[in-house]
Amino acid sequence: DGGITQSPKYLFRKEGQNVTLSCEQNLNHDAMYWYRQDPGQGLRLIYYSQIVNDFQKGDIAEGYSVSREKKESFPLTVTSAQKNPTAFYLCASRDRGLEAFFGQGTRLTVV
Amino acid sequence: GDSVTQMEGPVTLSEEAFLTINCTYTATGYPSLFWYVQYPGEGLQLLLKATKADDKGSNKGFEATYRKETTSFHLEKGSVQVSDSAVYFCALVGQGGANNLFFGTGTRLTVIP
Repeated sequence: DGGITQSPKYLFRKEGQNVTLSCEQNLNHDAMYWYRQDPGQGLRLIYYSQIVNDFQKGDIAEGYSVSREKKESFPLTVTSAQKNPTAFYLCASRDRGLEAFFGQGTRLTVV
Repeated sequence: GDSVTQMEGPVTLSEEAFLTINCTYTATGYPSLFWYVQYPGEGLQLLLKATKADDKGSNKGFEATYRKETTSFHLEKGSVQVSDSAVYFCALVGQGGANNLFFGTGTRLTVIP
């Protein structure tokens, strides 16, 4: 089945550690997005990519990095520079201005 | 720029009550409008959509009508169930490139038996 897959579902990070969240889609969508969601809050855009090897900062890019080496994949790295990384992270993809499809999310916790 | 303003929550209703969640938008041109639903611990799922004025999107008993004259896309359901408890997001896709997707802040609905 076509869809968008995020892994892992739960992730624990130690202070000062970088971690990478995976996002893979087999919908053949050009655009992919990463959002952060804090408890009881809406979605905040971290990064987005319209095409392979190109990506743009969103509203809260500081402390995060991404790559887009393949159309299907858009991994997000949460670096040690992100001082408050505990949150729910959502990946989405869409094609030609249509609706977005979301993964099931990754819950990141700092321990 | 484009934006979506959504009714603040949380909303608590008894089972079989009528639901309205207000959503208004600001956009140039003719955006497409969406409602998404998020169940606890999950990603967002598309609930319904409307792509032009006067269109009515519907799914699972939920409806919303694209009203250009009032720039609104209010979500309604005639009789809610406990299983409808979730967070609902209004969204629009405006004109422009990839960064033309805008979400409201979400409204948490709790339905009690």
